[in-house]
Amino acid sequence: DTGVSQNPRHKITKRGQNVTFRCDPISEHNRLYWYRQTLGQGPEFLTYFQNEAQLEKSRLLSDRFSAERPKGSFSTLEIQRTEQGDSAMYLCASTLYGYTFGSGTRLTVV
Amino acid sequence: ELKVEQNPLFLSMQEGKNYTIYCNYSTTSDRLYWYRQDPGKSLESLFVLLSNGAVKQEGRLMASLDTKARLSTLHITAAVHDLSATYFCAVAVTGNQFYFGTGTSLTVIP
Repeated sequence: DTGVSQNPRHKITKRGQNVTFRCDPISEHNRLYWYRQTLGQGPEFLTYFQNEAQLEKSRLLSDRFSAERPKGSFSTLEIQRTEQGDSAMYLCASTLYGYTFGSGTRLTVV
Repeated sequence: ELKVEQNPLFLSMQEGKNYTIYCNYSTTSDRLYWYRQDPGKSLESLFVLLSNGAVKQEGRLMASLDTKARLSTLHITAAVHDLSATYFCAVAVTGNQFYFGTGTSLTVIP
């Protein structure tokens, strides 16, 4: 499968716990994006990497959120001290010219 | 702040009928994308519109872009049940960041 892979597909966590999601982009794509989508809304931009450099972060990305892309390959998105408002679908996309989205990680904070 | 507005937000249409979804955006951009999303799934790329006057067609869907009016349309011809989904437009700005509309939830009824 040469698409964008995200793991896990679903995550249920208790409020206050830390969670980490992983995104494996298409190998030749140098740009990687994280988006968050809440129910009934369009995806909202969180952050963007070109190779290993994090070039842009949304103001939606509070101090509890951190993203990395070591060696410009896979990326991780960590949320610390999760809150119920963090419940959403977290989408990763990679691009050379056009976007390809992964299947997303659905986070539920209880 | 950039705004991307879609209308209608909800659309219920009979099989065989035609309809148009509108996407208005508030900033200059010459790249507009349409995506389809099925419930609980990720986004599937439908069309990429890269210049003023661009028109693309795939099956029963046709998309167009008027950059001067900052308007894109997604026209549905002779709707069938399989087209039931949520449709998003997305405008690309600097850094390839996308701003998504709120989506149009389409239900095709027999």
